[in-house]
Amino acid sequence: RKEVEQDPGPFNVPEGATVAFNCTYSNSASQSFFWYRQDCRKEPKLLMSVYSSGNEDGRFTAQLNRASQYISLLIRDSKLSDSATYLCVVNTNTGGFKTIFGAGTRLFVKA
Amino acid sequence: NAGVTQTPKFRVLKTGQSMTLLCAQDMNHEYMYWYRQDPGMGLRLIHYSVGEGTTAKGEVPDGYNVSRLKKQNFLLGLESAAPSQTSVYFCASSYARNTEAFFGQGTRLTVV
Repeated sequence: RKEVEQDPGPFNVPEGATVAFNCTYSNSASQSFFWYRQDCRKEPKLLMSVYSSGNEDGRFTAQLNRASQYISLLIRDSKLSDSATYLCVVNTNTGGFKTIFGAGTRLFVKA
Repeated sequence: NAGVTQTPKFRVLKTGQSMTLLCAQDMNHEYMYWYRQDPGMGLRLIHYSVGEGTTAKGEVPDGYNVSRLKKQNFLLGLESAAPSQTSVYFCASSYARNTEAFFGQGTRLTVV
């Protein structure tokens, strides 16, 4: 089992739709969580951190469920510019500090 | 406003050749990282550094060496390139372990 797993997609949604991505992680001692966005042939960039109480940044909402060991990203009112790959990132400190990237979920928003 | 800069952006190598990838950051970050990204896989950590003069192995260190002689620079070396090292390489830096990582634009390396 991979340490961090994401549905690779692609997710094809129309503009204005709401779309949700999940990411599961295997290490219950994981400490911090992030969502990064990566555009085609570009570098990853931080979209948002994920806090235990959940957090929102405009149209984006991130949630953490420690009991079930998953994080989620909800995008409301999708824009064409949201088309990208979304990477789930988990930090652990078991047996040494590790940052683990998921393989990413591809999103296509269509007009 | 440079952030993290990688050179070169593209390179084609023949099997057995050597090369060095250069990463420079201007944010005074202690932590620097080299990742590789292959289709269908997440970014995998090759080597990292927690400060000037220090380096440590990541998840996939074999076939690579690194040096951090200056705080702002982190070099990745391939001594004898192999086709399995064809990949996109990203350098990143961060203020601390649990904080946002800033990435360079990547180096597309093909080994033939």
